[in-house]
Amino acid sequence: DAGVIQSPRHEVTEMGQEVTLRCKPISGHDYLFWYRQTMMRGLELLIYFNNNVPIDDSGMPEDRFSAKMPNASFSTLKIQPSEPRDSAVYFCASSLGASGYEQYFGPGTRLTVT
Amino acid sequence: DQQVKQNSPSLSVQEGRISILNCDYTNSMFDYFLWYKKYPAEGPTFLISISSIKDKNEDGRFTVFLNKSAKHLSLHIVPSQPGDSAVYFCAANYGGSQGNLIFGKGTKLSVKP
Repeated sequence: DAGVIQSPRHEVTEMGQEVTLRCKPISGHDYLFWYRQTMMRGLELLIYFNNNVPIDDSGMPEDRFSAKMPNASFSTLKIQPSEPRDSAVYFCASSLGASGYEQYFGPGTRLTVT
Repeated sequence: DQQVKQNSPSLSVQEGRISILNCDYTNSMFDYFLWYKKYPAEGPTFLISISSIKDKNEDGRFTVFLNKSAKHLSLHIVPSQPGDSAVYFCAANYGGSQGNLIFGKGTKLSVKP
């Protein structure tokens, strides 16, 4: 079975540009999570969806960040405009709520904003 | 304020010996705990979990111990293997919500041959 798929794996962009990160969850999973990992703050939950509906976006740092899940097999995290402090590794994870709390992570997107 | 703390940023162990990774938490509402392993350039991988109604859970070489009164859990790896070298994250969940998973900052384990 394919795991969680994220693209791109690496993104380098200039400050002010729009960045879109993509995620395909594991088929059949009903929860999708977006995390950000930095040295200072570790792994932080940004937003999560249940059955394609955003449940909690309180972790989204600013209005520059937005996330969508148009269907069960695709989600995007967009940053517009990007800033150097957004540089981090962004992980997407999915889970099957009925099976417990184990989340399955994608390989991450390393974002560098110069 | 960190609710899940892994106070040792790194740990070095000889192959074949026991590795003990520790995690402390502050929120008494946490009722489910998980350990994840992460290799460089990969996402965290689920390893083992424990419910707050138990004090021990074992899976092969991996055992997690939970001490609720001390708000402490530990992961034991016996025997340690070089392939176990990775960053280990402790995570805790509360309230029965999928979105309440809080991660520690991780401990880097190095197992030397």
